Amino acid sequence: TQLLEQSPQFLSIQEGENLTVYCNSSSVFSSLQWYRQEPGEGPVLLVTVVTGGEVKKLKRLTFQFGDARKDSSLHITAAQPGDTGLYLCAGASGTYKYIFGTGTRLKVLA
Amino acid sequence: EPEVTQTPSHQVTQMGQEVILRCVPISNHLYFYWYRQILGQKVEFLVSFYNNEISEKSEIFDDQFSVERPDGSNFTLKIRSTKLEDSAMYFCASSEEGIRYGYTFGSGTRLTVV
Repeated sequence: TQLLEQSPQFLSIQEGENLTVYCNSSSVFSSLQWYRQEPGEGPVLLVTVVTGGEVKKLKRLTFQFGDARKDSSLHITAAQPGDTGLYLCAGASGTYKYIFGTGTRLKVLA
Repeated sequence: EPEVTQTPSHQVTQMGQEVILRCVPISNHLYFYWYRQILGQKVEFLVSFYNNEISEKSEIFDDQFSVERPDGSNFTLKIRSTKLEDSAMYFCASSEEGIRYGYTFGSGTRLTVV
């Protein structure tokens, strides 16, 4: 069974601080996505990474896919209250589905 | 921006009753999915649907569940005889080119079985 473990589970930081969220597995994934989910809403896709070692930047967010395609990280620079939410990683499992990670709940305090 | 629309946003049903959750995927998307999220737990895959048939389903998606694309726009999830443990947020998603580049999720239907 493929599992994606995210750490930390909860994170509360002050506005302006930097943070990193990790997504780890013992399985290899052909691609991996990061989503953000607000309460009562569906996950919103932030990025897809497909190549081992790939780094993608989305404004203050930097995503990295591990060389072996088993892990990924999300780094946020100078966090803002608008970054508050549940961050989910999801790995492509086979042809037709993703499995989702356990989630990191981020709260950025003004 | 195109979006996936789900109705109703909240459904309360008696245990043992049938429910149908409805979704309108993005119009040019060809792959459709249902996921669910029990409160406080992970997002879980239920089923994927392509070319008018199920591509893959999880262990959760047993004989009580079915999906249908009754016309060119709607995609439905039916639960025949609801149980208390079916209470969850149900998310529909669609994609243009399979799973490789991620999904667009709807806002979900909160199903409460009492």
